Amino acid sequence: DTAVSQTPKYLVTQMGNDKSIKCEQNLGHDTMYWYKQDSKKFLKIMFSYNNKELIINETVPNRFSPKSPDKAHLNLHINSLELGDSAVYFCASSQARMAEAFFGQGTRLTVV
Amino acid sequence: GIQVEQSPPDLILQEGANSTLRCNFSDSVNNLQWFHQNPWGQLINLFYIPSGTKQNGRLSATTVATERYSLLYISSSQTTDSGVYFCAVKPHGNNDMRFGAGTRLTVKP
Repeated sequence: DTAVSQTPKYLVTQMGNDKSIKCEQNLGHDTMYWYKQDSKKFLKIMFSYNNKELIINETVPNRFSPKSPDKAHLNLHINSLELGDSAVYFCASSQARMAEAFFGQGTRLTVV
Repeated sequence: GIQVEQSPPDLILQEGANSTLRCNFSDSVNNLQWFHQNPWGQLINLFYIPSGTKQNGRLSATTVATERYSLLYISSSQTTDSGVYFCAVKPHGNNDMRFGAGTRLTVKP
């Protein structure tokens, strides 16, 4: 009964391709997030959604777009992939903005 | 924006030793969490501790919000404690959880 699940766990793709990473949470939380972890292990927020509204959008290239079909899902679409997009992407969720956040297992994206 | 500093950046221990990890933050926060990223990359919740002290087995944490720091104590360390420990905070009025750079812990048998 994984609380926050991401698919796929690994993704290898060529430059220029378009790909999506899916995230689902079964905790009944109302806020979901996407984080990027770079090669130096630094974690930085990319997006968050609260009640289907985007409430944070860091300085992320517009090739990245979050899509939330419902409160339990927040997918990440990436267009025209570049080598520098290679990283581990984590989905997370929390109940209310200030509450404890729970993370998925991560998706390791490798662009070749 | 808020700055989150963790120390030490790296720590090597013999199994059975105790350690203290520190997290300093530059502004008032609504939320503070400690995570363990294990060697397989999973981020595991250790503590949600905006203030006060909590204990869970061999681990305990204390946050002194007025002085803007938090401490994570690991006692009788085991090899399975190895990994990276992250502190993350949510500043007042901001939904954005900011992470420190982490402390990389290696526990040797």
